[in-house]
Amino acid sequence: NAGVMQNPRHLVRRRGQEARLRCSPVKGHSHVYWYRQLPEEGLKFMVYLQKENIIDESGMPKERFSAEFPKEGPSILRIQQVVRGDSAAYFCASSRDRITYEQYFGPGTRLTVT
Amino acid sequence: AQTVTQSQPEMSVQEAETVTLSCTYDTSENNYYLFWYKQPPSRQMILVIRQEAYKQQNATENRFSVNFQKAAKSFSLKISDSQLGDTAMYFCALLGGATNKLIFGTGTLLAVQP
Repeated sequence: NAGVMQNPRHLVRRRGQEARLRCSPVKGHSHVYWYRQLPEEGLKFMVYLQKENIIDESGMPKERFSAEFPKEGPSILRIQQVVRGDSAAYFCASSRDRITYEQYFGPGTRLTVT
Repeated sequence: AQTVTQSQPEMSVQEAETVTLSCTYDTSENNYYLFWYKQPPSRQMILVIRQEAYKQQNATENRFSVNFQKAAKSFSLKISDSQLGDTAMYFCALLGGATNKLIFGTGTLLAVQP
């Protein structure tokens, strides 16, 4: 009974490269949330997706960041042309539906931009 | 806007003693949920306890209990019989509104001393 899976666990990118972070939700969950944790800070909401739909992207930076959750396959958080300030831990969470309030978190992806 | 405030950046407690972590919040929602998450050095987010705002009874989970004061918008976490494994960062979080996004506080770093 797998929980939320995220890969890679650690990702190192040079400035200007692209970062792709993957999240496979709990089996049967169709709602995914991405959060970012900057060093020494709490988690900040980025985006909420349902399969093939973006429900709320109010926490996403306006440029370089995008997210998707296709009908098949994992959810992807994509960061283009990474900068040092993107270095953070990125957490994915999933829930069964919109009514279920409990979100199950993955182990996170630690992105380091050199 | 919804906010969560944790005013204790760090706390320390002796093993087997009791400690209380503070959290206050603000929301205009009538229906909302409150959570305490634990983040050990592994950085995995672990749900400790949750409280539905419409329930007057304080939630308890083994050694963990909350003091939920709805009128004061306060949601403190009490850890009884503290154990070394309780050493972690603790985040208070609020979920309310249509888009299910969690709002986190800045965290309290708890150190349990032997």
